[in-house]
Amino acid sequence: DVKVTQSSRYLVKRTGEKVFLECVQDMDHENMFWYRQDPGLGLRLIYFSYDVKMKEKGDIPEGYSVSREKKERFSLILESASTNQTSMYLCASSLRFGSKNTRVDSPLHFGNGTRLTVT
Amino acid sequence: DAKTTQPNSMESNEEEPVHLPCNHSTISGTDYIHWYRQLPSQGPEYVIHGLTSNVNNRMASLAIAEDRKSSTLILHRATLRDAAVYYCILRDPFGASEKLVFGKGTKLTVNP
Repeated sequence: DVKVTQSSRYLVKRTGEKVFLECVQDMDHENMFWYRQDPGLGLRLIYFSYDVKMKEKGDIPEGYSVSREKKERFSLILESASTNQTSMYLCASSLRFGSKNTRVDSPLHFGNGTRLTVT
Repeated sequence: DAKTTQPNSMESNEEEPVHLPCNHSTISGTDYIHWYRQLPSQGPEYVIHGLTSNVNNRMASLAIAEDRKSSTLILHRATLRDAAVYYCILRDPFGASEKLVFGKGTKLTVNP
């Protein structure tokens, strides 16, 4: 069965700390995504990556950076955590269209999320 | 990004069919229609997706209008475990980003 694993389920950090959120997938997917989810705002895309060392900004990249050194791992970095970054963070992965001879769109597979609290 | 419109909430009784509607009047020819659901305290879960033809899988059926401007997710016999927020999303795999843009979704309540 497909699996996307986020390193922590719950995390509490202090304002100004550097925070790393890790995500690993075991499906050999090219695409990986980081979303945050807040009440009333739904899921918003922070960053995504379509290949190793490749990244693109999503809708709300400010205050975040990402790292994709290996295909299976996608890290979200909060350089200096702030209280407005308290949220649920969700990682996802998918096949890139056309890879592995697929000619149809592939779904996203999500992890169970990391609930980050910044105090 | 092409947008979708869903009712904020719907209610159903256990073991009855549920039809969740979605309008996407600005859909483009290469947009796939995806459905995801999110149970409390979990990440979104893929349900089904399609391009033009109706689709069936073990979880649900997807009925796509002939003009593709609307679609309906069908749960054939709702169970209490189907209570979740259901998201209808359009994605263009030929687009520059292949990203999914989530809306607010429909909160489904299943009554015993």
